[in-house]
Amino acid sequence: AQKITQTQPGMFVQEKEAVTLDCTYDTSDPSYGLFWYKQPSSGEMIFLIYQGSYDQQNATEGRYSLNFQKARKSANLVISASQLGDSAMYFCAMREMETSYDKVIFGPGTSLSVIP
Amino acid sequence: DVKVTQSSRYLVKRTGEKVFLECVQDMDHENMFWYRQDPGLGLRLIYFSYDVKMKEKGDIPEGYSVSREKKERFSLILESASTNQTSMYLCASSLERGYNEQFFGPGTRLTVL
Repeated sequence: AQKITQTQPGMFVQEKEAVTLDCTYDTSDPSYGLFWYKQPSSGEMIFLIYQGSYDQQNATEGRYSLNFQKARKSANLVISASQLGDSAMYFCAMREMETSYDKVIFGPGTSLSVIP
Repeated sequence: DVKVTQSSRYLVKRTGEKVFLECVQDMDHENMFWYRQDPGLGLRLIYFSYDVKMKEKGDIPEGYSVSREKKERFSLILESASTNQTSMYLCASSLERGYNEQFFGPGTRLTVL
């Protein structure tokens, strides 16, 4: 079974608009972490944001915020005020602290295109 | 800035060849990882290492081996390359066990003919 699901293979957003990239996960581990990475066309993966399963507040990093809904097992990435440089692949990922401490499981990715 | 470098951006090999992919990080990180990336599948972990001479299998270790003789260098070896190993290979490092952020190299696109 897929541990990380990203149901949107491709998304378009107008420049300066906000966009939400969906991510749902599946784990029975009580302690886990959720990540988002960005991969521009250059190929290098860039860490964006992290949310721990016990964190009470949603994580934010500049224009990025993680909408964490634990009961729904969802960890959507919200990008505010989209810029042309946000066009990239975005990967949701999870680390299960008790099951596999060092391993990070990645989803299939969502391709975001920002339109001028 | 943390820098993770990979020996080649593009590599073309023939079926049955032995292939070495090299990865070097310059920030004294303990953990190093090898992933392969295929469209629609995301990144899948091949092997990782949390110390010199230590290695752990990831989700898809079959057909691969690794070597970590020095802390800064982590090599991925394809003993006998096959066409189904054509893929993008990404190396990453992180400071220590349990540390969240992984730093990635630019990737090696390997084609096996």
